[in-house]
Amino acid sequence: ELKVEQNPLFLSMQEGKNYTIYCNYSTTSDRLYWYRQDPGKSLESLFVLLSNGAVKQEGRLMASLDTKARLSTLHITAAVHDLSATYFCAVFRMKTSYDKVIFGPGTSLSVIP
Amino acid sequence: IAGITQAPTSQILAAGRRMTLRCTQDMRHNAMYWYRQDLGLGLRLIHYSNTAGTTGKGEVPDGYSVSRANTDDFPLTLASAVPSQTSVYFCASSLKGLAGTNEQFFGPGTRLTVL
Repeated sequence: ELKVEQNPLFLSMQEGKNYTIYCNYSTTSDRLYWYRQDPGKSLESLFVLLSNGAVKQEGRLMASLDTKARLSTLHITAAVHDLSATYFCAVFRMKTSYDKVIFGPGTSLSVIP
Repeated sequence: IAGITQAPTSQILAAGRRMTLRCTQDMRHNAMYWYRQDLGLGLRLIHYSNTAGTTGKGEVPDGYSVSRANTDDFPLTLASAVPSQTSVYFCASSLKGLAGTNEQFFGPGTRLTVL
C-alpha cells in the first residue's frame, strides 16, 4: 500500500534561515507533486517532479526527487514571512484498477520575523 | 468564470439528506477530480474523471457518486449523508489525467458539515 510521510509536520523558523521539508513514500511512484495551501484557502501547485534526480526551483523554493530512496525534499532558502503556509507532497502511482494519488499529511510552516 | 468554481461555499446538512456539490471549470481541461481534506490526513481522492463520459474511483469512494456529462462540470453527490462525511471538499482539474505530467488546479473548496 502506498503511504506518504512528511517530516516535520510543524516547522517554525526565523526569516533568513534555510530549512528542508522531507517527503518519504513507501512504494514505487510515477511522479511527485508539491503543493502550497494558505490557511482557509485552496491548494496551489508548486512543482511536478517526473524522474529520478529531477530538481526544480521557483524563487526561494527548490524541490528534488530521488526515486531510488523514495524521497523528495523541498528546500527553503532565506525564508520570508510570505512563505508561511502548509506544504503538501503528493505521490502518484498508476494502477491497473484505478489511478492513485496519495497526499502526505502536510507540513505547517511558520516563518517568524 | 475564471478557473474552477465550486458551489456551495459551505453547507450544513442533516444526516440522511442527499446533497450535490457542484464543480465547474472553464479551462477546457480533460480531467477532473474530487478530494476531501480532513485535519491531519491531508487530501484524499474520492473520484476522478480523465475525460468527459468516464469516471473512476479514488482512495475513498464509498458514499459518493459522480458523473461527467460534459467537459466543464463534475458534480459530486452524497446520496445519504453521514457525519463522517463532514469535511472540506476540493474539486480540481488538469489538462490530462493523473497519468499525464501536468499539474492540477484546485477550486476554492466547499466546507460541508453533516449533523
